[in-house]
Amino acid sequence: DAGVTQTPRHEVAEKGQTIILKCEPVSGHNDLFWYRQTKIQGLELLSYFRSKSLMEDGGAFKDRFKAEMLNSSFSTLKIQPTEPKDSAVYLCASSPDWAYNYAEQFFGPGTRLTVL
Amino acid sequence: GQGVEQPDNLMSVEGTFARVNCTYSTSGFNGLSWYQQREGHAPVFLSYVVLDGLKDSGHFSTFLSRSNGYSYLLLTELQIKDSASYLCAVRDRNNNAGAKLTFGGGTRLTVRP
Repeated sequence: DAGVTQTPRHEVAEKGQTIILKCEPVSGHNDLFWYRQTKIQGLELLSYFRSKSLMEDGGAFKDRFKAEMLNSSFSTLKIQPTEPKDSAVYLCASSPDWAYNYAEQFFGPGTRLTVL
Repeated sequence: GQGVEQPDNLMSVEGTFARVNCTYSTSGFNGLSWYQQREGHAPVFLSYVVLDGLKDSGHFSTFLSRSNGYSYLLLTELQIKDSASYLCAVRDRNNNAGAKLTFGGGTRLTVRP
């Protein structure tokens, strides 16, 4: 079975650009998460979808970050406009179904974003 | 809300053991997970605990005390390849939170020969 896939693996952007990161969850999983990871802040939740419905939009990240899930097998994270402080690894994760108390989240390989 | 705390670094010796601590403060609690993350790689699930006590899974064991807001991950018979960051994550009881996890900052374990 394919795991979580993310593209691109690396992205370099100029300040002010718009970038779109892509994620394909594990087939059949109902929950999808976008995280940002930096050495200083650790793993921070950006967005959480349950059965394609947005459950959490990340509070402080709302203004320039927008995640969408148009179908159950594909999600995007748009950052517009990018700023140097957005440089981080962006991780996508999926999980089968929270209703069954299933705890494991399966993470993709991440996209390393560098904003100049 | 949730606060999850872990020490930044831990060092131990090959063949011995290491205990990675995690403390949390929550308005609700619905389980705690441990993940391993090697440098340059994504986190990988290790264990999930929701009941008090020790859960022995061989090389990795986990302990939980809900009344103290405390958990630890115990690694025994350490190998050099166990060097990695270990992340603690708490799941909220709030039904709207669903499967949402709040992660600690991670503990970087270094195993030396």
